[in-house]
Amino acid sequence: AQSVTQLGSHVSVSEGALVLLRCNYSSSVPPYLFWYVQYPNQGLQLLLKYTTGATLVKGINGFEAEFKKSETSFHLTKPSAHMSDAAEYFCAVEGGGNKLTFGTGTQLKVEL
Amino acid sequence: EAQVTQNPRYLITVTGKKLTVTCSQNMNHEYMSWYRQDPGLGLRQIYYSMNVEVTDKGDVPEGYKVSRKEKRNFPLILESPSPNQTSLYFCASSLRTGVHEQYFGPGTRLTVT
Repeated sequence: AQSVTQLGSHVSVSEGALVLLRCNYSSSVPPYLFWYVQYPNQGLQLLLKYTTGATLVKGINGFEAEFKKSETSFHLTKPSAHMSDAAEYFCAVEGGGNKLTFGTGTQLKVEL
Repeated sequence: EAQVTQNPRYLITVTGKKLTVTCSQNMNHEYMSWYRQDPGLGLRQIYYSMNVEVTDKGDVPEGYKVSRKEKRNFPLILESPSPNQTSLYFCASSLRTGVHEQYFGPGTRLTVT
């Protein structure tokens, strides 16, 4: 079985501050890990993914995430938040079984 | 333009009245899936399809049916909708499972009264 835990359903940062969204997973097999973003009234779109190889993954819009096997984590970061980053972010794991399991999401608010 | 389309985008219906939400993709993807999104619960998978005529249950299949007669289409059928099926529904497709990202439709907001 696989699962995803996202700590913090709501995160608020100031514009220009570091963004850190936390994701921990469990998987019985080496996982594929994804971060998706959902802007208001839209579907989800892929930010970045980890499959194999380099554990630091860079995505779109300046986001990156690091796969840490020992901590079973895949936290999402961005050095400097922008107002346009306000959205809901979902971590997801594919751990075999043809199934993508999503976390419950983190709503990011960016304040002036 | 590569995309996943869903229709209708908004639907208000009454308990027990059968409805179908259509989903179509133009990327020749093998894998298609339906999710529902509820506040605080994230996205939960309803059904998925690995290819034509191959479908399987996800985490919350009760009260839903699907079919995959053509590669591009994957309709979601609610034979007898109930108020607890009020939700935001997303269709998604990917080339295959595993490393491949899923492409999501714009969503269908369903209200059952």
